[in-house]
Amino acid sequence: SYVLTQPPSVSVAPGKTARITCGGNNIGSKSVHWYQQKPGQAPVPVIYYDSDRPSGIPERFSGSNSGNTATLTISRVEAGDEADYYCQVWHSSSDHHWVFGGGTKLTVL
Amino acid sequence: EVQLVESGGGLVQPGGSLRLSCAASGFTFSTYGMNWVRQAPGKGLEWISYISSTSNTIYYADSVKGRFTISRDNAKNSLYLQMNSLRAEDTAMFYCARERSDSSGPDYWGQGTLVTVSS
Repeated sequence: SYVLTQPPSVSVAPGKTARITCGGNNIGSKSVHWYQQKPGQAPVPVIYYDSDRPSGIPERFSGSNSGNTATLTISRVEAGDEADYYCQVWHSSSDHHWVFGGGTKLTVL
Repeated sequence: EVQLVESGGGLVQPGGSLRLSCAASGFTFSTYGMNWVRQAPGKGLEWISYISSTSNTIYYADSVKGRFTISRDNAKNSLYLQMNSLRAEDTAMFYCARERSDSSGPDYWGQGTLVTVSS
């Protein structure tokens, strides 16, 4: 099975830049999607296909993917960005259709 | 506006059964693959099942294979998850999710329905 590894937590001061990594074997060959989840809410897509932003997502959110690591970058972090973030890839196998990373709790100090 | 509304969750005893439903609106349901994703309390997201637009292709995660059955009724714009032989570790919020046209991931999620397996 394919495994995605995320740091359990990332902390950043307001106005600074947060980087959340997602590690996987040759993940650079796959398309990575990122989701934001706030307490009590469903996940919301924030980045598609490594670096595309859905409509309504601020330009402060960006993504990259190369080699064995994909990265979600949040610039000029705001208090409202505090949430859990999950990376996800399509594994296209019958028992692992979608694979999610374990999630990263972003704390705004 | 795309809407996915889950229902059918609740408290069930170990070994019991439950049927979840997901009512879809705002898009042509019959042309999209659909999935169920669950999240145990305080844990991460876990994909559990996929059904193609025509029901021809169905996948399950190993954790639910043989116990859960996904189905859909395109005439009713509805997705279902029949859950049998429930275990305590199945306790979770269950989300239905529409997948992108290339199947690479979900583009819309419902708000979820909570399933609690406990005696």
